[in-house]
Amino acid sequence: DAMVIQNPRYQVTQFGKPVTLSCSQTLNHNVMYWYQQKSSQAPKLLFHYYDKDFNNEADTPDNFQSRRPNTSFCFLDIRSPGLGDAAMYLCATSSGGPDSYEQYFGPGTRLTVT
Amino acid sequence: AQSVTQLDSQVPVFEEAPVELRCNYSSSVSVYLFWYVQYPNQGLQLLLKYLSGSTLVESINGFEAEFNKSQTSFHLRKPSVHISDTAEYFCAVYLGGSYIPTFGRGTSLIVHP
Repeated sequence: DAMVIQNPRYQVTQFGKPVTLSCSQTLNHNVMYWYQQKSSQAPKLLFHYYDKDFNNEADTPDNFQSRRPNTSFCFLDIRSPGLGDAAMYLCATSSGGPDSYEQYFGPGTRLTVT
Repeated sequence: AQSVTQLDSQVPVFEEAPVELRCNYSSSVSVYLFWYVQYPNQGLQLLLKYLSGSTLVESINGFEAEFNKSQTSFHLRKPSVHISDTAEYFCAVYLGGSYIPTFGRGTSLIVHP
């Protein structure tokens, strides 16, 4: 089945130790998104790619970076995680085309910062 | 700018009772409306969507939502809920032409036996 895969599902890192979360998709979608979701809150968009074009949300901290080396993969790098970065990180994709707005989400990576 | 309001943060109901989860939006242009469901420790899944046409849309598991342009609402309803419907429900709005949704804060549906 076509899908969005996130690895790992659970990640524990130390305060200040860089961490990378990965996302891959078999849907061949143009758009890939990274969201941060804290408990009992809506997902917060960090950035997205339309093909290779990177779009950063204005309030995304500089501590967060992203890479999309090809259509299938997208990475979220947190350079120096703080305790406030503990959250669920969701990757999503969409075709980006007209009349096709649906987002397909991965299962998420739960990040713990110790 | 658009915004999405889900007034109820939590809705507790008993099994087999009807439920309505409310969603209102503000936008001066045409919108596309979605409901997503999120089960614990999982990503969001599309429940149903309104793009155009009939204002009443249905999902495969018994939920329905009606687009009401005059009231700028897209409330989600189910006539009889199951324990397995316990989850977080998010309303999302897309401006026509945009592929970036605005999410509501979510409503936690808690179904008691």
